[in-house]
Amino acid sequence: DVKVTQSSRYLVKRTGEKVFLECVQDMDHENMFWYRQDPGLGLRLIYFSYDVKMKEKGDIPEGYSVSREKKERFSLILESASTNQTSMYLCASSLWGRDEAFFGQGTRLTVV
Amino acid sequence: KQEVTQIPAALSVPEGENLVLNCSFTDSAIYNLQWFRQDPGKGLTSLLLIQSSQREQTSGRLNASLDKSSGRSTLYIAASQPGDSATYLCAVRPGGGATNKLIFGTGTLLAVQP
Repeated sequence: DVKVTQSSRYLVKRTGEKVFLECVQDMDHENMFWYRQDPGLGLRLIYFSYDVKMKEKGDIPEGYSVSREKKERFSLILESASTNQTSMYLCASSLWGRDEAFFGQGTRLTVV
Repeated sequence: KQEVTQIPAALSVPEGENLVLNCSFTDSAIYNLQWFRQDPGKGLTSLLLIQSSQREQTSGRLNASLDKSSGRSTLYIAASQPGDSATYLCAVRPGGGATNKLIFGTGTLLAVQP
């Protein structure tokens, strides 16, 4: 079974802090994704990566950056956390861009 | 712009009932469609993936159909159980150059009463 693991289930951070959300997949997938999920807005794509060191912006990249130094790991970085970044963050991976996507368990981030 | 809609937003049924969840999308040019389940506070679990060339997919008590020309998919759950209670999400993968991106509906919250 594909396993996508996010480093934290819950995080509480202060406004202005630099925040790292980590995601690791164990199936040698080429593509990895970061989404955020908010009530009434559904899931929205922040960034995705189709290869090591490659990344593309999704629909809402503002305030975020990403890093993919190794194939299995994709990090989401909040350079200076703000309260409007309080959300559920979901990481996903797929073998190729068009294939079935598998999600991690989610990280509930609260910025105070 | 592709938009995905799921109706109803919430559904409550007694245990044992067969039920249908609906998903509609505005642009029929899709590569595939995927159904997910999400338990409260958790991530998404993939249920079924239907390619654009397929009409349906089955897994256990679940059957998903796809009518691309009319922009509709349904998820049929047979003999529902309390453990089926969750939010069900559909997502389409656009055709053309944007195939890396999944576009999600806002989900149907299902409650199966014992």
